Amino acid sequence: QKEVEQNSGPLSVPEGAIASLNCTYSDRVSQSFFWYRQYSGKSPELIMSIYSNGDKEDGRFTAQLNKASQYVSLLIRDSQPSDSATYLCAVYAPGTYKYIFGTGTRLKVLA
Amino acid sequence: DADVTQTPRNRITKTGKRIMLECSQTKGHDRMYWYRQDPGLGLRLIYYSFDVKDINKGEISDGYSVSRQAQAKFSLSLESAIPNQTALYFCATGGIAGLNEQFFGPGTRLTVL
Repeated sequence: QKEVEQNSGPLSVPEGAIASLNCTYSDRVSQSFFWYRQYSGKSPELIMSIYSNGDKEDGRFTAQLNKASQYVSLLIRDSQPSDSATYLCAVYAPGTYKYIFGTGTRLKVLA
Repeated sequence: DADVTQTPRNRITKTGKRIMLECSQTKGHDRMYWYRQDPGLGLRLIYYSFDVKDINKGEISDGYSVSRQAQAKFSLSLESAIPNQTALYFCATGGIAGLNEQFFGPGTRLTVL
C-alpha cells in the first residue's frame, strides 16, 4: 500500500517564525511531489511542486526533497496568521496516474 | 475566470434521490479526477479519467458513477444518495506529463438527509 504520512498537528508557531512541515512517502519510484494549502471548507491550493533532490524556493516557501530518505518538507519563513491552514503533501504515483495524499498537517500561526 | 469550476457549490438532498455534480475545466488537461473529503479521512479518489473513452475506478467508487462528456467536462452522479455520502466533493485536473501538477475546483458541499 503506497502511503504518504504527515503529522496531523496542530503545529503552532508564533508570527514571524519559520514553520517546518514534514512528509514521508513509501513508494521509491515517485518522481513528483506537491504541497497544497487548504483553508477550512475550501479546496486544496497548489503552492509548491518539487521533482529533484534539494531545495526549491518560491517567495516565503521552500520545499525540500530527499529521495534517498523518502521525505519531503515545506518551510514557511516569516509565518503570518494568514498561513494558518491545513497543508497537504501529495505524491504522484507514476504509471497509475494517481495522486497519493497525506491527511494533512494543521498549522496555526499565533499573532 | 477559474480554471476548474464545479456546480452546484452546495446541495442538500434526501436519501434515495439521484444527484449529479458537474465539473468543467479550461486548463486543457486530459486527466480529470473526482475526490471526496471527510473530516479526518483526507482526500479519497472516487473516479478518474484520461479522456472521454477511458474512465477508471478509484478507491471508493461504489454508489457513484461518472460521465466524461468532453475533454473539458467530467460529471459525477450519485444514483441513490445515502446519508454517508454527505461530504465535500472536489473535481481536479491532472497536468502536463513531467510536471503532473494537479489543480482543484472549488468543491461541492453535499448533504444527504
